[in-house]
Amino acid sequence: GAVVSQHPSRVICKSGTSVKIECRSLDFQATTMFWYRQFPKQSLMLMATSNEGSKATYEQGVEKDKFLINHASLTLSTLTVTSAHPEDSSFYICSASPRGDNEQFFGPGTRLTVL
Amino acid sequence: KQEVTQIPAALSVPEGENLVLNCSFTDSAIYNLQWFRQDPGKGLTSLLLIQSSQREQTSGRLNASLDKSSGRSTLYIAASQPGDSATYLCAMRPYNNNDMRFGAGTRLTVKP
Repeated sequence: GAVVSQHPSRVICKSGTSVKIECRSLDFQATTMFWYRQFPKQSLMLMATSNEGSKATYEQGVEKDKFLINHASLTLSTLTVTSAHPEDSSFYICSASPRGDNEQFFGPGTRLTVL
Repeated sequence: KQEVTQIPAALSVPEGENLVLNCSFTDSAIYNLQWFRQDPGKGLTSLLLIQSSQREQTSGRLNASLDKSSGRSTLYIAASQPGDSATYLCAMRPYNNNDMRFGAGTRLTVKP
């Protein structure tokens, strides 16, 4: 149980385009989902926290207009990188917490490369 | 803001050795602490989760301890194997917050 999936696993796009990444909790309802970013040989940095049906809370330094987060259902959250640039190339990982649980379950990550 | 530090940044050991990875955090008001394994280019695999009220957790050859008063956690790996080679991350969840703060990780190499 407690499986989280991400799609796509890998995406390459041209500079200036927008990319959408999906995060799904497959066998539980997730009231809260988290988005992290990991640059090469660095640790995970929290970007934003989203609760189902409400606006996401962004960490300091993360542009909310560039990284659009939608958490419209209890099993799906999406991260859209708008007008992507090469410096946005990174490994994006989501996690989800079941209702009433304090543990986060992590997705397998999405490798974004912006040319 | 909670800071999480992992020492050493990298570690290379011969197969069969027992080893200890260290994690320290600046604020003792933690809700839980978790150890993960990450293989190159992959996501996170949860190894052990220690609740604030616990002092240690064990799973197979792995043992994680938590000392809130000193702000430290250790991950002990017994009889290391080449398959244990990976980056090990510790992450803590603060008491008043739902998100997790990660250390930079220890990159472990176990040589055959």
